[in-house]
Amino acid sequence: TQLLEQSPQFLSIQEGENLTVYCNSSSVFSSLQWYRQEPGEGPVLLVTVVTGGEVKKLKRLTFQFGDARKDSSLHITAAQPGDTGLYLCAGAVNTGFQKLVFGTGTRLLVSP
Amino acid sequence: NAGVTQTPKFQVLKTGQSMTLQCAQDMNHNSMYWYRQDPGMGLRLIYYSASEGTTDKGEVPNGYNVSRLNKREFSLRLESAAPSQTSVYFCASSESVGEQFFGPGTRLTVL
Repeated sequence: TQLLEQSPQFLSIQEGENLTVYCNSSSVFSSLQWYRQEPGEGPVLLVTVVTGGEVKKLKRLTFQFGDARKDSSLHITAAQPGDTGLYLCAGAVNTGFQKLVFGTGTRLLVSP
Repeated sequence: NAGVTQTPKFQVLKTGQSMTLQCAQDMNHNSMYWYRQDPGMGLRLIYYSASEGTTDKGEVPNGYNVSRLNKREFSLRLESAAPSQTSVYFCASSESVGEQFFGPGTRLTVL
């Protein structure tokens, strides 16, 4: 069973602070996706990274895929209350059909 | 365009009761999935359907059955509910690769 460990599990910060969420595995993934989930809703895709070492920016969010395609990070600059939510990484496994292995999740609370 | 819809939103069952969770998507996606979400464990794949007419087991299939009724609909059945099946259940759909689109979830409690 492939596992994706996320750290930290919980993060409570003040508006304006920076933060980084980590997603680590011993397995290699063909791509990695980051989702955000708000209470009472399903996850929504933020970004997909495909190439080892790839960096993608989405406004104040920066996503990086590790060189060996086993890990990823999400960095948020100047966090805002609207960033509050559960962040999930998901590694894509291709075994004839692409399935996603989800990380354990990081719950972020940004207070005004 | 509703995306992925799930019914019911909430359900309380007694141990041993059965029920079917319904899921439908209007995006003409080939692939559909059922996940359960438990605190601290992320999303775990129960069953998936790569295309209409096919279904396969995921990581945690025991105690569940599925039916891919047509391209739009994918149902999940609990034949004899157990307290360990208390969870939030999500249906998702996608093209064969790439982004998965999720429904709003069904919150199930088994007493």
